[in-house]
Amino acid sequence: GENVEQHPSTLSVQEGDSAVIKCTYSDSASNYFPWYKQELGKGPQLIIDIRSNVGEKKDQRIAVTLNKTAKHFSLHITETQPEDSAVYFCADSHPGNMLTFGGGTRLMVKP
Amino acid sequence: KAGVTQTPRYLIKTRGQQVTLSCSPISGHRSVSWYQQTPGQGLQFLFEYFSETQRNKGNFPGRFSGRQFSNSRSEMNVSTLELGDSALYLCASSLGTSGRIGTQYFGPGTRLTVL
Repeated sequence: GENVEQHPSTLSVQEGDSAVIKCTYSDSASNYFPWYKQELGKGPQLIIDIRSNVGEKKDQRIAVTLNKTAKHFSLHITETQPEDSAVYFCADSHPGNMLTFGGGTRLMVKP
Repeated sequence: KAGVTQTPRYLIKTRGQQVTLSCSPISGHRSVSWYQQTPGQGLQFLFEYFSETQRNKGNFPGRFSGRQFSNSRSEMNVSTLELGDSALYLCASSLGTSGRIGTQYFGPGTRLTVL
């Protein structure tokens, strides 16, 4: 069935460094790829998303790139801050508003 | 605009009991999706409701059911609870009306513990 793989599962960076999280998907029909940030005790919060007609999208320190040929997409966070510490999930979409999520990446930003 | 609200936030039940969780979507949103989050299985799609109709269903047993009311509020029910049903149950709302996948906004979740 449909699968989304996410790497790495944990990522530790120094404050100010960049962080990159990568995901691959298997369904060639997928056309919407959101990224969510989940802090302890809270629900996932959408931080950025990209649709298949766009290769890259940027919002301040956050950017997402999409390679449909290779079926992978990545989240880039620049100038990381301690408040960026959280679990990040990638997802791809299917008909009926169904999202398939990656396994998550625990990002730790050390001050 | 108020976000997605879920009640209750925490529940403790025993095996064999049933439970009902509630979700109120963002005003104007007509689609409500439910997800189960566990440490072992991650985030998994349960089902989606739009205009009081189940539009899509994930791979969960029939003990998991849901419904949506005319005001778009949704409930999900789990009958004959098992220990493995302990999880964070998340509700997400979206407009649901356009021809493409809509942005989904999640609530804080209901933490269910089955003893």
